[in-house]
Amino acid sequence: DVKVTQSSRYLVKRTGEKVFLECVQDMDHENMFWYRQDPGLGLRLIYFSYDVKMKEKGDIPEGYSVSREKKERFSLILESASTNQTSMYLCASSGGEIGSGNTIYFGEGSWLTVV
Amino acid sequence: GDSVTQMEGPVTLSEEAFLTINCTYTATGYPSLFWYVQYPGEGLQLLLKATKADDKGSNKGFEATYRKETTSFHLEKGSVQVSDSAVYFCALRLYNFNKFYFGSGTKLNVKP
Repeated sequence: DVKVTQSSRYLVKRTGEKVFLECVQDMDHENMFWYRQDPGLGLRLIYFSYDVKMKEKGDIPEGYSVSREKKERFSLILESASTNQTSMYLCASSGGEIGSGNTIYFGEGSWLTVV
Repeated sequence: GDSVTQMEGPVTLSEEAFLTINCTYTATGYPSLFWYVQYPGEGLQLLLKATKADDKGSNKGFEATYRKETTSFHLEKGSVQVSDSAVYFCALRLYNFNKFYFGSGTKLNVKP
């Protein structure tokens, strides 16, 4: 089974802190994603990466950055956390040939509260 | 642009009732279509998928048929259980891109 592991399930951070959310996948997938999920807004894509050291902005990249130094690991960074970044963050990965209909696999989520 | 629209919830049903959650999409090209389920406090899990027109995806009693003529992928189940209570997301992946587009989710509550 594909496994996407997010390092922290629950975090509480102070405004202005630098926050790292780590994600590891074990299926050698090329593509990795970070979403945030908020009530009434569904899933919104923050950043994605289709290769090591490659990244592309999603729909809501402001206030976030990412790092992908190794294929299996994709980190989300909040440079200076703010209360409006309190949310559930979902990491995901996908792979395989384009057009094959390969699915996207999610981690269990990280609940971040910024106080 | 490319997008997925699904019916707003919550949907409340009694156990053994018939379920339909509507999903329509807008996409350039030939997308693959998916339904995901999210149980409370967890991430999203793949429920079923279809990769081309007229394909039917099925899993755990849930079904959805890829209808290109109506650009729809409605989720159905003949008899829901309390354990089906969750949030359901419709999604698409474009043929030649790595991005996935998700609907806003539909919460299902099943009462005993």
